[in-house]
Amino acid sequence: DIQMTQSPSSLSASVGDRVTFACRASQSIATFLNWYQKKPGKAPNLLIYGASSLQSGVPSRFSGSGSGADFTLTISSLQPEDFATYYCQQTYSTPLTFGGGTKVEI
Amino acid sequence: QVQLVESGGGVVQPGGSLRLSCAASLVTFSNSKMHWVRQAPGKGLEWVAVISYDGSNIHYADSVKGRFTVSRDNSKNTLYLQMSSLRTEDTAIYYCAREQSFYDSSGYYYVPASDFWGQGTLVTVSS
Repeated sequence: DIQMTQSPSSLSASVGDRVTFACRASQSIATFLNWYQKKPGKAPNLLIYGASSLQSGVPSRFSGSGSGADFTLTISSLQPEDFATYYCQQTYSTPLTFGGGTKVEI
Repeated sequence: QVQLVESGGGVVQPGGSLRLSCAASLVTFSNSKMHWVRQAPGKGLEWVAVISYDGSNIHYADSVKGRFTVSRDNSKNTLYLQMSSLRTEDTAIYYCAREQSFYDSSGYYYVPASDFWGQGTLVTVSS
């Protein structure tokens, strides 16, 4: 099984900050990497697919990069609605696996 | 607009069974792979299972293999998750999600992702 490791597990930031968090796969997964935002009581929301492509309707302040085993998600200017937990997911092979998440707190 | 609505959650004793449903208002349901994903209280997301568009290809997480069965009825636009031999660690919110594949920015890889999700149904396994 492919293990996904996210870092940090949490971070504190302010509105307007640029934040970046990491996701590492236990083996190369090319660009079979997606990012989701999860808020309490809400369903996960797809932000980025294929490591760097922005899902329709997602604000352009979100961006993703990477390939192989190392990936990053960047929020260029943190907005109040961005305080949430972010998960990476590999869809290279089953079982599909998520990272442990990065919680962005005020 | 795509809508996925889960139902069937509730409280069940360890060792018991429960069947979850996911009703899809989705024209392309019969052409879509569907997933179940769960989130235990205070924990992260955990992928549970995937079923191909026609039900012929199914995969499970090791944590549920042999206890959970995913199926679908395309005539009813409904996805199911039959859960048996439930354990306390199965307590979670269960989400169904539609899989869509997208070309990545290079145009080389066709990458699956879950682009529509239901709001979830809570399963509590407790004596």
